[in-house]
Amino acid sequence: SQTIHQWPATLVQPVGSPLSLECTVEGTSNPNLYWYRQAAGRGLQLLFYSVGIGQISSEVPQNLSASRPQDRQFILSSKKLLLSDSGFYLCAWRRGGSIREQFFGPGTRLTVL
Amino acid sequence: SQQGEEDPQALSIQEGENATMNCSYKTSINNLQWYRQNSGRGLVHLILIRSNEREKHSGRLRVTLDTSKKSSSLLITASRAADTASYFCASNSDSNYQLIWGAGTKLIIKP
Repeated sequence: SQTIHQWPATLVQPVGSPLSLECTVEGTSNPNLYWYRQAAGRGLQLLFYSVGIGQISSEVPQNLSASRPQDRQFILSSKKLLLSDSGFYLCAWRRGGSIREQFFGPGTRLTVL
Repeated sequence: SQQGEEDPQALSIQEGENATMNCSYKTSINNLQWYRQNSGRGLVHLILIRSNEREKHSGRLRVTLDTSKKSSSLLITASRAADTASYFCASNSDSNYQLIWGAGTKLIIKP
């Protein structure tokens, strides 16, 4: 069966510090991978998606970046965090080439102070 | 990516009652999906309805789709306190890797 992991679960970082959130998927190959951000009480904002290693599409211009160094690994990064980067970050995967359901990780709660 | 709309934004009902949430979308779709999110957790896929389907059931869930009105509804029958969560709809066109998400309905079931 497939599983998706995200870590850390919670993170408190000062403004201007770097960020690295990691997401890994097990039990499938060549998945489509997604990073979302969710503000409190709001819907999902797509940040990045990837259809393969090294292939990243950015949806929202900002100080975040994403990388996919391995088939089942997706990393969200920032060189300098802003207060507005606070939120709940969700990683998701779906079968490659599929337009069916996405499967979500447990999320990372990021607070930038 | 957040182009869908859901109503109501929040819904509070008594346990045992039925809960209905609505979703509208703007472009033609291949399918529409409903997800559930418990507070502070990831989303869980509930049900998918294809554009050529009008109604679909899964346990206490009933989803309808009206492509002429570009709308869908999710009905939860005989609600339980454990159904308390936020519910999101998401639509997918034929050739897009992205889901277009609604803003969600926060459902509270009072015991």
